[in-house]
Amino acid sequence: SQELEQSPQSLIVQEGKNLTINCTSSKTLYGLYWYKQKYGEGLIFLMMLQKGGEEKSHEKITAKLDEKKQQSSLHITASQPSHAGIYLCGAAGVMDSNYQLIWGAGTKLIIKP
Amino acid sequence: DTEVTQTPKHLVMGMTNKKSLKCEQHMGHRAMYWYKQKAKKPPELMFVYSYEKLSINESVPSRFSPECPNSSLLNLHLHALQPEDSALYLCASSQENLQPSYNSPLHFGNGTRLTVT
Repeated sequence: SQELEQSPQSLIVQEGKNLTINCTSSKTLYGLYWYKQKYGEGLIFLMMLQKGGEEKSHEKITAKLDEKKQQSSLHITASQPSHAGIYLCGAAGVMDSNYQLIWGAGTKLIIKP
Repeated sequence: DTEVTQTPKHLVMGMTNKKSLKCEQHMGHRAMYWYKQKAKKPPELMFVYSYEKLSINESVPSRFSPECPNSSLLNLHLHALQPEDSALYLCASSQENLQPSYNSPLHFGNGTRLTVT
């Protein structure tokens, strides 16, 4: 079955600095999703990537999918306190014979003022 | 603001109680999902409804009973829960059920924080 590994598990960054979170898949990615979650709240959809080499940006967040479609990175430029939270990558895959969204373990991002 | 609405936001119930969680979406999505999320863990899929029919049940105990009255509503009926069932319960919807060529993301509600005493 497909597995997603996220790194780092947690990250403390000074406000204004850039950062990168990685998501690596054990199999080819057909669809890779990035979500953000604040503690105790729902998941907010950030971006979806499907094609090898694809790159998308929203405000100061950029996500890329590598050419081999097995790794994605999420890059935040000039981080702000509002960027703090847990970032989750998810991939369309098969688990227990069902198509479903398979999740990485998450990266906890803390922004130091 | 999320387009998927979940009620209640918080729920405390005893092990002998019967309660229901509710979820509503008006995006015309045909697939709806229940997830359970424990602290510091990613969401775990419980149920998937596709076109108002249960398509996936991830071996969830019968004390959790889903219901999809129509394409906009999803309920989760709770009965005789255990303290270990305490978690954040998330509802989500998408245009269609997830497939490898799927290109529509899941939209999540803000969840119901359930505590079983």
